[in-house]
Amino acid sequence: EDQVTQSPEALRLQEGESSSLNCSYTVSGLRGLFWYRQDPGKGPEFLFTLYSAGEEKEKERLKATLTKKESFLHITAPKPEDSATYLCAVNTGGFKTIFGAGTRLFVKA
Amino acid sequence: NAGVTQTPKFRILKIGQSMTLQCAQDMNHNYMYWYRQDPGMGLKLIYYSVGAGITDKGEVPNGYNVSRSTTEDFPLRLELAAPSQTSVYFCASSYKGGINTEAFFGQGTRLTVV
Repeated sequence: EDQVTQSPEALRLQEGESSSLNCSYTVSGLRGLFWYRQDPGKGPEFLFTLYSAGEEKEKERLKATLTKKESFLHITAPKPEDSATYLCAVNTGGFKTIFGAGTRLFVKA
Repeated sequence: NAGVTQTPKFRILKIGQSMTLQCAQDMNHNYMYWYRQDPGMGLKLIYYSVGAGITDKGEVPNGYNVSRSTTEDFPLRLELAAPSQTSVYFCASSYKGGINTEAFFGQGTRLTVV
């Protein structure tokens, strides 16, 4: 069965304390991996798409990487405004996209 | 530019009642989607549409119906509401579909069935 697992469930950081969020997947065939940010009471906001192992993408303090089994979202020197839930999703073809449950990130000033 | 607009934001239904969740987008996107998000679970696709007049079932379509008469609107109908349909519902749209999906989401409708 296709599965997407995100860890940790929650992460508490001090401002400036860099860390990484993990998205591991067991799927029949990865066509693309997506990262979204979701603020409380809001819909997910698209961040990145990664298509193949070794690919990396950056946006401000965020950097996403992809291997054959997992993806990492690295957060460098986070700020309180980076606090949100980060969702990972894997597309296995057509409209079959499997979402992980998310990692809730709290950044304290 | 409003993006994807969902109404209502909150709703409480009694078991057996029916309602329609409204979704409209102003980006001229062909692809539209309905997801539900339950606590501790990933988003699940209910229905999707690749254009006006064309809809198809997603992963969890039972208990729901959709229609797509225009490019802009994609309402989700709940018939005979059940407690299992208590969830947060998100509508989304995208210019392309599948692996090229950079989806834009609405703010969600929080539905409680009692």
